[in-house]
Amino acid sequence: KAGVTQTPRYLIKTRGQQVTLSCSPISGHRSVSWYQQTPGQGLQFLFEYFSETQRNKGNFPGRFSGRQFSNSRSEMNVSTLELGDSALYLCASSLAANTEAFFGQGTRLTVV
Amino acid sequence: GENVEQHPSTLSVQEGDSAVIKCTYSDSASNYFPWYKQELGKRPQLIIDIRSNVGEKKDQRIAVTLNKTAKHFSLHITETQPEDSAVYFCAALYSGNTPLVFGKGTRLSVIA
Repeated sequence: KAGVTQTPRYLIKTRGQQVTLSCSPISGHRSVSWYQQTPGQGLQFLFEYFSETQRNKGNFPGRFSGRQFSNSRSEMNVSTLELGDSALYLCASSLAANTEAFFGQGTRLTVV
Repeated sequence: GENVEQHPSTLSVQEGDSAVIKCTYSDSASNYFPWYKQELGKRPQLIIDIRSNVGEKKDQRIAVTLNKTAKHFSLHITETQPEDSAVYFCAALYSGNTPLVFGKGTRLSVIA
């Protein structure tokens, strides 16, 4: 079966712009989590969606938002981009709680 | 909330030697502990996981041990090979409705 798909793979944006990233989970997976990965900081949790509802949220400013659609695809949006938002953004899907989380390839966002 | 500390941040071993990475967690109610391997430019992938009702789990050259009393768990890789070189992340899950919390990662280098 198809894995987790993230689009786009690479993105370059200017400070102040906004960006939308997309994540298509594995078919049948209802949980989608988003993580920000930067060197030395590991994987920092942004938010998790389950059945179109945000179930958990990490400690990120309100400029970071997301949503999930009825087909479980998820998007995250970052408004008013800052240089510090440059990172690899990973999404992960899982079938249920306490089961393996499968990661997408990530979207590499560069803010200039 | 849950907090996961991972050590060391970098580790170099000679090919054939063993490698050990340790993680501690803060919430005694955490019950699921996966380990992910991320090769350069690739997505994190699950290599082994353990649940709180088990003290040790092995899969060929890798093993994970869990000490619930001390709230720490460790990844053991024996007979290391150059292809084991990667960043390894531990994680902990508090309950079914909370997200995975990751450690900051260990960069393992296996020197041939």
